[in-house]
Amino acid sequence: AQSVAQPEDQVNVAEGNPLTVKCTYSVSGNPYLFWYVQYPNRGLQFLLKYITGDNLVKGSYGFEAEFNKSQTSFHLKKPSALVSDSALYFCAQYSGGYNKLIFGAGTRLAVHP
Amino acid sequence: DTEVTQTPKHLVMGMTNKKSLKCEQHMGHRAMYWYKQKAKKPPELMFVYSYEKLSINESVPSRFSPECPNSSLLNLHLHALQPEDSALYLCASSPDKNGNTIYFGEGSWLTVV
Repeated sequence: AQSVAQPEDQVNVAEGNPLTVKCTYSVSGNPYLFWYVQYPNRGLQFLLKYITGDNLVKGSYGFEAEFNKSQTSFHLKKPSALVSDSALYFCAQYSGGYNKLIFGAGTRLAVHP
Repeated sequence: DTEVTQTPKHLVMGMTNKKSLKCEQHMGHRAMYWYKQKAKKPPELMFVYSYEKLSINESVPSRFSPECPNSSLLNLHLHALQPEDSALYLCASSPDKNGNTIYFGEGSWLTVV
């Protein structure tokens, strides 16, 4: 069965520093990978996705993610964190052949002033 | 416009009540979803509709009854719920093709008393 792992429950970073939120996926041919962000008491907002093509994907709010097939990873990155980036981040992978997203457990990002 | 609208935002219901959650999208998407999310956990898929037909039911108890009246609307009928069903219920939609982005609404907060 496909699975998505987010190894860190929480990531703490100082404002202005680069941030990385980690995600690894289970091997499945050509994976379709996504990042979503959830602010408190809100729904999920789409950030970016990897379907095919360039391994570096750029998304909303200055976020980007790097697809690494050899390491089966899809880490989310931002060069300079903002306090307003503090939220819950979910990595997700499509379950092959179905309209079904498999979510990781989520990582809480806390950006401190 | 990537908007999925859910009503009501908050709902409190007794265990003997019958209520409904409603979802609407006007993006021409042909796949619509219900997810359930408990606090600080990832969303869990409940149902998928594809071209107004139920395509996935993730073994959801019959006290939850989905309905897709047309391609823009999705309802979730609730009856005889339990307190443990209290959660955030998220509606989502996507073009009906594997790998397309799934867009989420803001959710309906359900409390069962």
